[in-house]
Amino acid sequence: QKEVEQDPGPLSVPEGAIVSLNCTYSNSAFQYFMWYRQYSRKGPELLMYTYSSGNKEDGRFTAQVDKSSKYISLFIRDSQPSDSATYLCAMEGSGGGADGLTFGKGTHLIIQP
Amino acid sequence: ETGVTQTPRHLVMGMTNKKSLKCEQHLGHNAMYWYKQSAKKPLELMFVYNFKEQTENNSVPSRFSPECPNSSHLFLHLHTLQPEDSALYLCASSQLPSGQGGDVQYFGPGTRLTVT
Repeated sequence: QKEVEQDPGPLSVPEGAIVSLNCTYSNSAFQYFMWYRQYSRKGPELLMYTYSSGNKEDGRFTAQVDKSSKYISLFIRDSQPSDSATYLCAMEGSGGGADGLTFGKGTHLIIQP
Repeated sequence: ETGVTQTPRHLVMGMTNKKSLKCEQHLGHNAMYWYKQSAKKPLELMFVYNFKEQTENNSVPSRFSPECPNSSHLFLHLHTLQPEDSALYLCASSQLPSGQGGDVQYFGPGTRLTVT
């Protein structure tokens, strides 16, 4: 079983819809959870960062972490064509080792105008 | 210049060539990373440098050779590559040293490498 599972998509939704992106993981030591957005031909940019369980909201974006289920989500409200990109989840334990972040494969999101 | 910059943005090289990728971070961070991004695969960590010292070599073939002369600059020297090495090579940096937890990484735009 891979450490981080993420549906690669593509996920296509109409403009204005609520988008739900998800990752599951197997390593219970993960404490830090991030979402990166990557536009075509660009590097990933940090979108959301959360520690441990709970919700975090930033504008139209909400990140949720459910450590008991080993499941994280990113919700995008009022989706816009400019949100079309690949979304990568990433996570890390609380210390020890030098492996740094573990990434999912990324979900390709398409917002149809 | 701000953030993390990478040059060149695109590179085409033959299997017998030698070339280098350059990364510079303008964030005052202490750790720098090289990743390989191939289609349909997760980001693959290649090398980690904390305070200019290499702390991770993720079983990368010797045809890839990193160099970190100072905490702001990172190079990836390439020689005798294979076509399967064609990918997007991303550089990243973080304030905290790798492995301490919560080391949010900031990425450069990447170098698109094609090996012919």
